[in-house]
Amino acid sequence: GAVVSQHPSWVICKSGTSVKIECRSLDFQATTMFWYRQFPKQSLMLMATSNEGSKATYEQGVEKDKFLINHASLTLSTLTVTSAHPEDSSFYICSARPPNLAKNIQYFGAGTRLSVL
Amino acid sequence: AQTVTQSQPEMSVQEAETVTLSCTYDTSENNYYLFWYKQPPSRQMILVIRQEAYKQQNATENRFSVNFQKAAKSFSLKISDSQLGDTAMYFCAFMTPGFQKLVFGTGTRLLVSP
Repeated sequence: GAVVSQHPSWVICKSGTSVKIECRSLDFQATTMFWYRQFPKQSLMLMATSNEGSKATYEQGVEKDKFLINHASLTLSTLTVTSAHPEDSSFYICSARPPNLAKNIQYFGAGTRLSVL
Repeated sequence: AQTVTQSQPEMSVQEAETVTLSCTYDTSENNYYLFWYKQPPSRQMILVIRQEAYKQQNATENRFSVNFQKAAKSFSLKISDSQLGDTAMYFCAFMTPGFQKLVFGTGTRLLVSP
């Protein structure tokens, strides 16, 4: 159980276009999902916490107008990179937490590699 | 703010041997959770093991075990009988229940050789 699906796994886009990444919890409902960014050979940096039915909470230094997050249902959160530029090229990973708060475990999607030309 | 430090950027071990990955953290909290995640070349993050700070007993999961030293704020991962499939980046992570955020260390790249 506790499977998180992320789509697409790899996307190439032109500079100035927008890209949407989906994160789905397949076998549980997730009131909270998380979006991370990982640069090559580096650790995961939390970008934002996505809450179902409310606005996302962004980490300091993350542009909320650049990285739009929508958590419209208990199984789906989306990250839209607006007006993408080459510096936005990175590996984006989502995670979701099942309702069993006592375990405090996050399960991760397989990630999305974004390449902006 | 909580910080997590992994002082070993890379480690190597031969198949069937034992290896220990180090992790230290800094926090003023008394109740928290610690995790080890594995990221193989596929880049899928996989939970290896989890420790609750209020439990003195060290967590174990098959070949994986931890040495949790709360006073020293240390949380090392021991991998016994290493297998080729253990080759991956290993991230130590910290979470406080109230914030639900994971704070990751910089990772240790483990290479298991035949």
